[in-house]
Amino acid sequence: AQSVAQPEDQVNVAEGNPLTVKCTYSVSGNPYLFWYVQYPNRGLQFLLKYITGDNLVKGSYGFEAEFNKSQTSFHLKKPSALVSDSALYFCAVRDKNAGNMLTFGGGTRLMVKP
Amino acid sequence: DVKVTQSSRYLVKRTGEKVFLECVQDMDHENMFWYRQDPGLGLRLIYFSYDVKMKEKGDIPEGYSVSREKKERFSLILESASTNQTSMYLCASSLGSGGTYEQYFGPGTRLTVT
Repeated sequence: AQSVAQPEDQVNVAEGNPLTVKCTYSVSGNPYLFWYVQYPNRGLQFLLKYITGDNLVKGSYGFEAEFNKSQTSFHLKKPSALVSDSALYFCAVRDKNAGNMLTFGGGTRLMVKP
Repeated sequence: DVKVTQSSRYLVKRTGEKVFLECVQDMDHENMFWYRQDPGLGLRLIYFSYDVKMKEKGDIPEGYSVSREKKERFSLILESASTNQTSMYLCASSLGSGGTYEQYFGPGTRLTVT
């Protein structure tokens, strides 16, 4: 079975400060990992993914994430937060042996204050 | 750009009604998915389809059925709507097999069952 945990329901950060949204996962094999963002009254938008290779993955809107196999984590980061980054963020995992089914975390609401 | 459209943004139905939610994608994707999104629970997979007329159950298929008669269209059917099916429903699509491809989401349908 595969699972994802996003331990923080909400993360608050001041504009211009670095942000981190945490994600840990559990799979039986090797993972494919994804981050999505959801703005109010919108569907989810893909941000970035880790499939293989370099542990640091860069994505849209200046976001990046680091795959850490020993800690089974895939935290989302951005060096300098913008108010417009305020949204709901979802981490998702797929076990390489589990076909096309993604398992999503519960989501973390990011609030960036001016 | 991939475009995934859903037939309604908001829908209000009565208990016991049969409800159809339609999803169309324009990028010739093999895979299509139906999720429901509830606060704190993230996205939970209801059904997915990897080819025309093919379907597989997700994590929460009870009370739902699906239809995929054409590659671009994937319908979710609530046979007899109940109040516990009040939720946001999201459709998504992705390319082929192997699980490395990101999913593209529609804007969602917020269904209220009274």
